[in-house]
Amino acid sequence: EAGVAQSPRYKIIEKRQSVAFWCNPISGHATLYWYQQILGQGPKLLIQFQNNGVVDDSQLPKDRFSAERLKGVDSTLKIQPAKLEDSAVYLCASSLSGGAYEQYFGPGTRLTVT
Amino acid sequence: EDQVTQSPEALRLQEGESSSLNCSYTVSGLRGLFWYRQDPGKGPEFLFTLYSAGEEKEKERLKATLTKKESFLHITAPKPEDSATYLCAVMNSGYSTLTFGKGTMLLVSP
Repeated sequence: EAGVAQSPRYKIIEKRQSVAFWCNPISGHATLYWYQQILGQGPKLLIQFQNNGVVDDSQLPKDRFSAERLKGVDSTLKIQPAKLEDSAVYLCASSLSGGAYEQYFGPGTRLTVT
Repeated sequence: EDQVTQSPEALRLQEGESSSLNCSYTVSGLRGLFWYRQDPGKGPEFLFTLYSAGEEKEKERLKATLTKKESFLHITAPKPEDSATYLCAVMNSGYSTLTFGKGTMLLVSP
């Protein structure tokens, strides 16, 4: 079974530029999550989708971050404009459904903002 | 607000030297407590889910236990390949999102 796919793996941009990350979840998984992991910290949830609807985006900085899930499968997370403090690893995860199902994580995208 | 505190922040063991990692949590209602392993440059890898106090789960050299206030990850006779950061997370019964701790970085020397 293929795991969660993410691209790109690494990205370096200057502050005020825009960037987009892509995620393809495990086939059949209805729930998709985006997390931000700053060095030395645990992952922090940014947004949760159930199929193509948003379940929780309470911690998403909506003035600069946006996300969508196309046709309930792939998802894109965008940052515009980027700030220095956005430097982090952006992790995508998926699970069969919401609830206490285990979440499976992709390898992440390491973003450096200079 | 749900909170997860992991200790120690870092732990260095000799191969074969057993030890335990701690995860203390506060949550209004626990739906599940999760343990993950994270290797450098990779995403977290699922290990266990515990649902109620008194529950235990084992996988190879790892054993996770749960009380009403904390969880322990016991590592028996660790090997160098067990070196990783171990993350603990809780899921509140009111929703389906995870709150993670900062993790414990484990280094096992041969």
